[in-house]
Amino acid sequence: AQSVAQPEDQVNVAEGNPLTVKCTYSVSGNPYLFWYVQYPNRGLQFLLKYITGDNLVKGSYGFEAEFNKSQTSFHLKKPSALVSDSALYFCAVRPFYGNNRLAFGKGNQVVVIP
Amino acid sequence: DGGITQSPKYLFRKEGQNVTLSCEQNLNHDAMYWYRQDPGQGLRLIYYSQIVNDFQKGDIAEGYSVSREKKESFPLTVTSAQKNPTAFYLCASSPQGETEAFFGQGTRLTVV
Repeated sequence: AQSVAQPEDQVNVAEGNPLTVKCTYSVSGNPYLFWYVQYPNRGLQFLLKYITGDNLVKGSYGFEAEFNKSQTSFHLKKPSALVSDSALYFCAVRPFYGNNRLAFGKGNQVVVIP
Repeated sequence: DGGITQSPKYLFRKEGQNVTLSCEQNLNHDAMYWYRQDPGQGLRLIYYSQIVNDFQKGDIAEGYSVSREKKESFPLTVTSAQKNPTAFYLCASSPQGETEAFFGQGTRLTVV
């Protein structure tokens, strides 16, 4: 079954500095990859996805992610972090073919320090 | 408005009682999911359904049951067999294939 690893529990970054949140995945065959953000006591909001094509994917609020097939990674990045980016970030994977099972990582708490 | 609705937002139950969480979507999505969220453990899949009248167990299905009698609805019952039911429960839906899943706002269940 597919799985996602988000190795860091919390990412601290100063406002204005680049932000990176790491994600590696395991899936049979090619993946669909997603990033979501969650604010306290709310559902998840979609940020961006990788389907096929360019390895660099651009999404909402200035976020982007880079797909690396050889390293089975899909790291989320933002060139200049804002205090309002402080939230919980989840990476998710679903197989290109086969079941529709959507697997999430454990999430990363991002704290942007003013 | 199109979307996915979970109700209620907060739910309190006594230990030993079954409780059903509601999830309704008007997005015409085929697939629906239930996740449980606990601090530090991320989202763990309880059950998912790809079509009406069919569903599959996820990673932590023990103590839970679901039904999918209508495309729009995917209720989750937390039974008395679930040893630690207090958690935040999230429902999601998606079309088949590449499109992202859409999430409800969650139900926080507290069992006392």
